[in-house]
Amino acid sequence: DSGVTQTPKHLITATGQRVTLRCSPRSGDLSVYWYQQSLDQGLQFLIQYYNGEERAKGNILERFSAQQFPDLHSELNLSSLELGDSALYFCASSPDGDSGNTIYFGEGSWLTVV
Amino acid sequence: AQSVTQLGSHVSVSEGALVLLRCNYSSSVPPYLFWYVQYPNQGLQLLLKYTSAATLVKGINGFEAEFKKSETSFHLTKPSAHMSDAAEYFCAVSDIGGNKLTFGTGTQLKVEL
Repeated sequence: DSGVTQTPKHLITATGQRVTLRCSPRSGDLSVYWYQQSLDQGLQFLIQYYNGEERAKGNILERFSAQQFPDLHSELNLSSLELGDSALYFCASSPDGDSGNTIYFGEGSWLTVV
Repeated sequence: AQSVTQLGSHVSVSEGALVLLRCNYSSSVPPYLFWYVQYPNQGLQLLLKYTSAATLVKGINGFEAEFKKSETSFHLTKPSAHMSDAAEYFCAVSDIGGNKLTFGTGTQLKVEL
């Protein structure tokens, strides 16, 4: 158990819909990351937050957005969903945002868009 | 941009045999390198990481990796494979000035009796 908690574990929704994925980082970790894992794209970095502020942005679509709240939990919002958004979405956390920090991953949220 | 290349998307070994999973990095400066393992239907678990303290890094479950600057490699090894090692293994590099991980495409390890 990494200490990173993600909900829901599984989600099935229709195209065009909007979903929110939730993440609680390890206790004391200030940095939260979101990754997408799909068969065709592999593991892709989406976005990083550090202590409530956006720190780095990756291949995140404009239809997707994230935020980190004062209690450090984070949410990833996915809207206007398409079939290609079906993937495993990981949240991860680290003590801070510095290079070399170990990043701990949650078990992921499986999103299926039908 | 930093990147890693994992050679071989599938590797099959016999139980008790040497495990060798290959990873080469592309970086203009000494990078931070990581190996993660993903068991079926689970998240990513850190096996080991290189942060320039020592070129031979020992990790969990008997795995180790050697950083070779001359070869720009960070191959993962285990002397004797166990059935429980069957999983997907990812090499990753951390960017400088931040902590974003860029992953390789993964190597699926199969262990046969």
